[in-house]
Amino acid sequence: NAGVTQTPKFQVLKTGQSMTLQCAQDMNHNSMYWYRQDPGMGLRLIYYSASEGTTDKGEVPNGYNVSRLNKREFSLRLESAAPSQTSVYFCASTLRGGGFTEAFFGQGTRLTVV
Amino acid sequence: QQPVQSPQAVILREGEDAVINCSSSKALYSVHWYRQKHGEAPVFLMILLKGGEQKGHEKISASFNEKKQQSSLYLTASQLSYSGTYFCGTESRDNYGQNFVFGPGTRLSVLP
Repeated sequence: NAGVTQTPKFQVLKTGQSMTLQCAQDMNHNSMYWYRQDPGMGLRLIYYSASEGTTDKGEVPNGYNVSRLNKREFSLRLESAAPSQTSVYFCASTLRGGGFTEAFFGQGTRLTVV
Repeated sequence: QQPVQSPQAVILREGEDAVINCSSSKALYSVHWYRQKHGEAPVFLMILLKGGEQKGHEKISASFNEKKQQSSLYLTASQLSYSGTYFCGTESRDNYGQNFVFGPGTRLSVLP
């Protein structure tokens, strides 16, 4: 099982460039999340999608947009990258609606904005 | 919204015990615990549900006080492999669905 797959793994952008981070899960999970992790810091929620067709802002949504393309895929877009968005980005998914909803994470995208 | 974790960092010798605490200001549906090794993705350890159910790693235990919105992770007889950063994740459910946020992490170092 692939679990949660993120692409790309590494990316360098110039200030002002745009890009989309892709995330796909094959576990039939309802909910998907995007987090950013800065050096020595925890995971901060950017956006989440509780179910297909819905998206909501998390703790740090400014400068980002998301699309829940279908149940499997949840993308994160940076329209005009800034150095402050240099971070490691993690996508995660959970199976909502039941009791146990452990999160599965992708391997992360290391983004540097110069 | 972000839960608070304590301590920020712990240094142990192999075989020693540790407790990591997590608290939230919101009413919680569940608390999760994850461990992250340097350069890797977080890995699930344990989940504790409102109502008392829990599921997780055999050698790790945790508690969840629903009234106080607090959870503690107990690491006993620590091993070198326990080193890493431990995150609690708190889940609250509202009309809009799940909202799953993490604490800032507790860095655990186990020395020989």
